[in-house]
Amino acid sequence: GDSVTQMEGPVTLSEEAFLTINCTYTATGYPSLFWYVQYPGEGLQLLLKATKADDKGSNKGFEATYRKETTSFHLEKGSVQVSDSAVYFCALSDLGSGNTGKLIFGQGTTLQVKP
Amino acid sequence: DTAVSQTPKYLVTQMGNDKSIKCEQNLGHDTMYWYKQDSKKFLKIMFSYNNKELIINETVPNRFSPKSPDKAHLNLHINSLELGDSAVYFCASSQVNYGYTFGSGTRLTVV
Repeated sequence: GDSVTQMEGPVTLSEEAFLTINCTYTATGYPSLFWYVQYPGEGLQLLLKATKADDKGSNKGFEATYRKETTSFHLEKGSVQVSDSAVYFCALSDLGSGNTGKLIFGQGTTLQVKP
Repeated sequence: DTAVSQTPKYLVTQMGNDKSIKCEQNLGHDTMYWYKQDSKKFLKIMFSYNNKELIINETVPNRFSPKSPDKAHLNLHINSLELGDSAVYFCASSQVNYGYTFGSGTRLTVV
């Protein structure tokens, strides 16, 4: 079945460092891809998404590009802040439309940014 | 206005009890879900309803029973609670071409 694999955490960075969190997926169809963020004690917030190959999602300085050839959707940010400390989830949606099917999540990557 | 609201936010109960978690969305979405987040933060879908009809029922013990009285509500009832049911339960809703919106979660602790 469809699956998502993220790099193991935790990831610890100093403020203003460059961030990459790797995400690869396995899917039989053409999924939509998502990054969600969970701040301590809170629910999940959509960070960005991409619905087809070569699309780039971006939000709040974070970016990820849907790479069909490498089945990847790596999250990047040029300069992280302490406020970016959270758990980041890569996910795919298993229906063609991308928005009514179940979300399949990776295991989450904890990011800790130190001042 | 809260888009997807869950109650209660925290629930502490003894083994063997029966409890319910309620979820309401005011977004007009057609589809609602329950997800379980375990102690290692892993998220897995449990159920999905579309317009009150069950469309996804993952491998979940039959002690868990979802109920959708209308498309704006999806409740989760759990019978004979076990220690392993301790987790955070998230409700979510979605609509075609819109995406998913999650509630803030219900932390269930079984003692």
